[in-house]
Amino acid sequence: QQPVQSPQAVILREGEDAVINCSSSKALYSVHWYRQKHGEAPVFLMILLKGGEQKGHEKISASFNEKKQQSSLYLTASQLSYSGTYFCGTAPLGEGGSEKLVFGKGTKLTVNP
Amino acid sequence: EAQVTQNPRYLITVTGKKLTVTCSQNMNHEYMSWYRQDPGLGLRQIYYSMNVEVTDKGDVPEGYKVSRKEKRNFPLILESPSPNQTSLYFCASSLGGHGDEAFFGQGTRLTVV
Repeated sequence: QQPVQSPQAVILREGEDAVINCSSSKALYSVHWYRQKHGEAPVFLMILLKGGEQKGHEKISASFNEKKQQSSLYLTASQLSYSGTYFCGTAPLGEGGSEKLVFGKGTKLTVNP
Repeated sequence: EAQVTQNPRYLITVTGKKLTVTCSQNMNHEYMSWYRQDPGLGLRQIYYSMNVEVTDKGDVPEGYKVSRKEKRNFPLILESPSPNQTSLYFCASSLGGHGDEAFFGQGTRLTVV
């Protein structure tokens, strides 16, 4: 079952902040975040693992609430280059790892000058 | 350069004419996956493979076949394409497990008329 992302779309001015949420109905082992620009492949941003370990880009921050099966991606002081569609991919407990990610429908972020 | 290469990038075909989309990775990854991306639906997994000769169905496998005869290659086969398989397809590879990100190919835009 796909995780639910919110909001579906957000428009910012350069320098503003945004939070993108990802919620699953299943207990999770890990949450992945990817960004996709129009016509391009998704690009890795961050992995958050059960137990608190994180791996990803220094300028990106995210949280993972294991009990609530929720993750949030924090985009601060947004830049024009942040525009794109953000996807969370979840790995439910006992159902495999990065080879079996279940992705949400995406959040389209637009950053205007 | 570490990469996942898909071919072709664009393909227009007719209903019922068998086609193969190739995927190759040069990172010695064990895990490879195929996703389709449709507007408003996000990325949905078609098939995945955990090693040579080991494949399994994802969430939307109907109408597709895969094979993994070599570690680096993971072709997607549509034996009798139909218009509802018109989509953007992505191949991905990873080391597997929960702590490793997926690397995506550039995508193949398939149109079945």
